[in-house]
Amino acid sequence: ETGVTQSPTHLIKTRGQQVTLRCSSQSGHNTVSWYQQALGQGPQFIFQYYREEENGRGNFPPRFSGLQFPNYSSELNVNALELDDSALYLCASSPGGPNSPLHFGNGTRLTVT
Amino acid sequence: QQQVKQSPQSLIVQKGGIPIINCAYENTAFDYFPWYQQFPGKGPALLIAIRPDVSEKKEGRFTISFNKSAKQFSLHIMDSQPGDSATYFCAASPTQGGSEKLVFGKGTKLTVNP
Repeated sequence: ETGVTQSPTHLIKTRGQQVTLRCSSQSGHNTVSWYQQALGQGPQFIFQYYREEENGRGNFPPRFSGLQFPNYSSELNVNALELDDSALYLCASSPGGPNSPLHFGNGTRLTVT
Repeated sequence: QQQVKQSPQSLIVQKGGIPIINCAYENTAFDYFPWYQQFPGKGPALLIAIRPDVSEKKEGRFTISFNKSAKQFSLHIMDSQPGDSATYFCAASPTQGGSEKLVFGKGTKLTVNP
């Protein structure tokens, strides 16, 4: 059973550019959540996808968007990158249902210069 | 507004010691409280979780104590080992909103010296 995998592991972008981060869910998991973790901080919830539809969103602007595909993999897109977007972006999958444990990937480290 | 406050920010103990990490929450709708362990370069990994209908839960060397009236919960690590050196995060979520929508504390960096 493979865990949550994310790509790329590291990425450097320039302010104003757009970026796409990818995530493959753990087998059997139909729910994907994305979190942003700034250096020295706890993860912050961006949004969640369940069966290809957004199912909850945190306090992030619309330039953060996502997709979930029929195989439950997911993408996080960020437009008009800002310096403060520099962070570790974590994808987590879960089997869904109340109190389902989240299984995190190792993240994508995004640096915006 | 920080909904989950975690302390201390960092903690150093000797091998065999019992580090204690504390968290306090504000939102009374929270009813699921997990703890995550994160090593450098890795994603957080679930250690143990508790719901408010119990006051304590043990899994191996890890124990959560929960005080619903005070809206506080804590993690105790018994017989701590150097391999436990990591950053620990408490978190909370309301079941209605889905346990995937966790609110995390800012983390505690634990160092266990040999």
